[in-house]
Amino acid sequence: DTAVSQTPKYLVTQMGNDKSIKCEQNLGHDTMYWYKQDSKKFLKIMFSYNNKELIINETVPNRFSPKSPDKAHLNLHINSLELGDSAVYFCASSPVVGDEKLFFGSGTQLSVL
Amino acid sequence: GESVGLHLPTLSVQEGDNSIINCAYSNSASDYFIWYKQESGKGPQFIIDIRSNMDKRQGQRVTVLLNKTVKHLSLQIAATQPGDSAVYFCAENFNNAGNMLTFGGGTRLMVKP
Repeated sequence: DTAVSQTPKYLVTQMGNDKSIKCEQNLGHDTMYWYKQDSKKFLKIMFSYNNKELIINETVPNRFSPKSPDKAHLNLHINSLELGDSAVYFCASSPVVGDEKLFFGSGTQLSVL
Repeated sequence: GESVGLHLPTLSVQEGDNSIINCAYSNSASDYFIWYKQESGKGPQFIIDIRSNMDKRQGQRVTVLLNKTVKHLSLQIAATQPGDSAVYFCAENFNNAGNMLTFGGGTRLMVKP
């Protein structure tokens, strides 16, 4: 009955590979997000989707492509992984756009070797 | 660059004492602030929020104080417990047209038994 679930929890891969992280929320929320947390715990928004439509796209390399098949899912695909992509990636959701009370998943720790 | 918070300082308190975690923000247009708690291996969890038309808001064992004059936010935790050990983030929102939370760098709270 996890509210926001993301898989996998850990992802170890080689430079240059392509990988995906999946996220699902069962809260009935309209808005979903991807955040990146670096080694110093700094959290930065990457993308925001409302009802499957992209509403925020921060300065993120176009190697990162979010995909929202429906409003309960927001997956993150990363092409040509680089060392600097190593971080913890958090999926989050909120009931509506403008509601800042985010519900976060437990994170995916990505390690690029 | 980041406009909110510090670079993961650590606050160590004795169990039962009160804790005060501080946060500075630089955007005077911010009108909404949130505190999140992140335990090890988990995603951030909402604690308490405050709008800019308020100076103080209380929750269960937590109080948030907002000083707009000096652009300062604080989180007070009463009777700190071992379960309060976590990294605490303040976040601000200054874009009412979308959900653009900007997170600070976080403060690690360590509770000594």
